[in-house]
Amino acid sequence: DTGVSQNPRHKITKRGQNVTFRCDPISEHNRLYWYRQTLGQGPEFLTYFQNEAQLEKSRLLSDRFSAERPKGSFSTLEIQRTEQGDSAMYLCASSLAAYDGYTFGSGTRLTVV
Amino acid sequence: EDKVVQSPLSLVVHEGDTVTLNCSYEVTNFRSLLWYKQEKKAPTFLFMLTSSGIEKKSGRLSSILDKKELSSILNITATQTGDSAIYLCAVDVSYSSASKIIFGSGTRLSIRP
Repeated sequence: DTGVSQNPRHKITKRGQNVTFRCDPISEHNRLYWYRQTLGQGPEFLTYFQNEAQLEKSRLLSDRFSAERPKGSFSTLEIQRTEQGDSAMYLCASSLAAYDGYTFGSGTRLTVV
Repeated sequence: EDKVVQSPLSLVVHEGDTVTLNCSYEVTNFRSLLWYKQEKKAPTFLFMLTSSGIEKKSGRLSSILDKKELSSILNITATQTGDSAIYLCAVDVSYSSASKIIFGSGTRLSIRP
């Protein structure tokens, strides 16, 4: 499978716990994006990497959120001290160049109970 | 603040009907407009429209960009039940050395047999 891969597919966690998601982009894509989508809404931008550099972060990305892309390949998104409002689908996308359409992964659905 | 607005929010039609979905945008720097189809998981790319490519067609789907009116439409002719999905409009915005896409809330299309 040469698409964007995200793990896990589903995560249920108790409020206050930390969670980490992983995204493996298409191998030759140097741009990687994280989005969050809640029910009835379009995806909301969280952050953007070009290679290993995090070039853009949304105001939505509070101090409890951190994303890394240490070697310019896979990326992780960590949420510390989860809250019920963090329940959402977390989508990762990658692209080769700015004018390419993004390819999305299947997402990680987070439920905080 | 950059924003993308889609209408209608939801639409129910009978198989065989033709539908038109609308998207309008207000952004600081426009690079391209994208349409995605989202069924249960990841959005899948349909079209990209730019200043140099304002009309695209693929089978029963077609899209037009009106840069003067800051809007786009997505047409689906001879609809089929498999067209039932959420259709997302997004705009790729320039942002110094980075870029991101801003999504609308989507139009939920339901096709009745």
